[in-house]
Amino acid sequence: GQNIDQPTEMTATEGAIVQINCTYQTSGFNGLFWYQQHAGEAPTFLSYNVLDGLEEKGRFSSFLSRSKGYSYLLLKELQMKDSASYLCAVMDSNYQLIWGAGTKLIIKP
Amino acid sequence: ETGVTQTPRHLVMGMTNKKSLKCEQHLGHNAMYWYKQSAKKPLELMFVYSLEERVENNSVPSRFSPECPNSSHLFLHLHTLQPEDSALYLCASSREGQGAYNEQFFGPGTRLTVL
Repeated sequence: GQNIDQPTEMTATEGAIVQINCTYQTSGFNGLFWYQQHAGEAPTFLSYNVLDGLEEKGRFSSFLSRSKGYSYLLLKELQMKDSASYLCAVMDSNYQLIWGAGTKLIIKP
Repeated sequence: ETGVTQTPRHLVMGMTNKKSLKCEQHLGHNAMYWYKQSAKKPLELMFVYSLEERVENNSVPSRFSPECPNSSHLFLHLHTLQPEDSALYLCASSREGQGAYNEQFFGPGTRLTVL
């Protein structure tokens, strides 16, 4: 079966750096997405990786290793507004998105 | 604002009621999706429409009935639901239903409670 694993919850301190990991086993691979979802709001797109390596976008970076079935989202200079759930999703060979359960990130002052 | 709106935002219904959820996208996209989001569970894809034709139906019970009258509007008709159907129902749209890059834009969701 297809499976996406990510930690259920993480806690970090304002101003620090946090890395949220995602491992996947899917039928084929056509890219990996990260979404942010604040409580009670819509998920919003953060990043897309299809090739190995690091993609940087401001305070957020996303890394992919296809051979290891692994990705991480790196958040730098954490702010209180970064408290949210972070969803990892993989597009399989049928171009369908397979979603992880999300990682709830709690930022403490 | 993501360009995808959903109404109502909250809905409480009894098991014998009939109600409908509405989704509208203002992005000129060709594909629309219904997802179910339950606490601490992955998003469950329910239905996909591409160019107004249903292309995906992931073994969803018949008490959920989708309708896509045009590429901008998507409905989910609800009938004789069960308490376990209580969840957040998210609508999303994307440029195309398939393709190497398929960023989906989500609406804010309808929080459904079935009594």
